[in-house]
Amino acid sequence: AQTVTQSQPEMSVQEAETVTLSCTYDTSESDYYLFWYKQPPSRQMILVIRQEAYKQQNATENRFSVNFQKAAKSFSLKISDSQLGDAAMYFCAYNTDKLIFGTGTRLQVFP
Amino acid sequence: GAGVSQSPSNKVTEKGKDVELRCDPISGHTALYWYRQSLGQGLEFLIYFQGNSAPDKSGLPSDRFSAERTGGSVSTLTIQRTQQEDSAVYLCASSLAQSGRSYNEQFFGPGTRLTVL
Repeated sequence: AQTVTQSQPEMSVQEAETVTLSCTYDTSESDYYLFWYKQPPSRQMILVIRQEAYKQQNATENRFSVNFQKAAKSFSLKISDSQLGDAAMYFCAYNTDKLIFGTGTRLQVFP
Repeated sequence: GAGVSQSPSNKVTEKGKDVELRCDPISGHTALYWYRQSLGQGLEFLIYFQGNSAPDKSGLPSDRFSAERTGGSVSTLTIQRTQQEDSAVYLCASSLAQSGRSYNEQFFGPGTRLTVL
């Protein structure tokens, strides 16, 4: 069975600095998708970035980028130039036909 | 167009009562998912509907939980004889049809916060 592990319950960063959130997963599949979702206090799940396992190039979306290490089954999220609005819960997820989520990392951003 | 909507936003009930939670997916989305998020936890898959296929119920925690999707659109998640451990946020998501190894983004609703006293 696939599992997703986020080992950092909480992280903090100062505004304009860079922070990296960790995620590891376990699967026997060779082709799959990985995601980072953001959940602000409104509860709305927002897709931040996705990575297709067959693509070696790391995905990038503006200030958000990933470090995808397929052999190590690692999928970390880097947030550059952190903003106060980045404060939220961040969930790593693996896709089969449904999403399997990690337990999340709460990110605090300090001015 | 409108996103995924869920009602009610919050529901407080007494232990032993039945509750119904509603999800209106994005128009044209044939796939619909229910997830549960307990306090401080990630999302736990409950059930998945894909078009006219039999739903994937593998995530339902007990036979007190059931869901239906009428006319391929609106879905209702029913919890019978609620227990305090059922207290959680219930999130619904919809997407275009999933096919093979391709992926269509799941769009989430705002969730229903269920509190069982």
